Amino acid sequence: SQTIHQWPATLVQPVGSPLSLECTVEGTSNPNLYWYRQAAGRGLQLLFYSVGIGQISSEVPQNLSASRPQDRQFILSSKKLLLSDSGFYLCAWSGWDRGHEQYFGPGTRLTVT
Amino acid sequence: AQSVTQPDIHITVSEGASLELRCNYSYGATPYLFWYVQSPGQGLQLLLKYFSGDTLVQGIKGFEAEFKRSQSSFNLRKPSVHWSDAAEYFCAVVPNRDDKIIFGKGTRLHILP
Repeated sequence: SQTIHQWPATLVQPVGSPLSLECTVEGTSNPNLYWYRQAAGRGLQLLFYSVGIGQISSEVPQNLSASRPQDRQFILSSKKLLLSDSGFYLCAWSGWDRGHEQYFGPGTRLTVT
Repeated sequence: AQSVTQPDIHITVSEGASLELRCNYSYGATPYLFWYVQSPGQGLQLLLKYFSGDTLVQGIKGFEAEFKRSQSSFNLRKPSVHWSDAAEYFCAVVPNRDDKIIFGKGTRLHILP
């Protein structure tokens, strides 16, 4: 069966510090991968998605970047965090043989102070 | 613009009562439709999906949803809620086969004992 991991689970970082959030998927090959941010009361905002290694599409211009160094690894980064980067970050995957349904990781709660 | 509307931000029902959460979408001749549930501090879990065929679909945890093309709706129902159903529920739509998934802003369900 497929599983998706995210770490860390929680993170408190000062403004201006760098960020690296990691997501890995097990039990499937060549998944589509997604990063979402969830702010309170504002639903899900798609940040990035990737259909393959090194292929990243950005949905919203912002202070963040994403990379996919391996088939089942997706990293969300920032060089300098802003207060507005605080939120709940979710990674998700979908498979070519699963239609469009997405499967989500447990999330990372980021607080920028 | 393409949109998914969940008109109720909060809903409160008594334990054992029936539940219906509303979802409307604004496009797509043959949309793919989903309902997800999110418990506090956790990722989203897929409850059910509709791709084609029978317009009444069964999901996990005793939930069902009915696709009504004429009303552009995909409402989620449960005949008798349990306290453990308290969570946030997201409707999601893929308007056409090659489109990305679009999430509603969610409905938070509260259960009275």
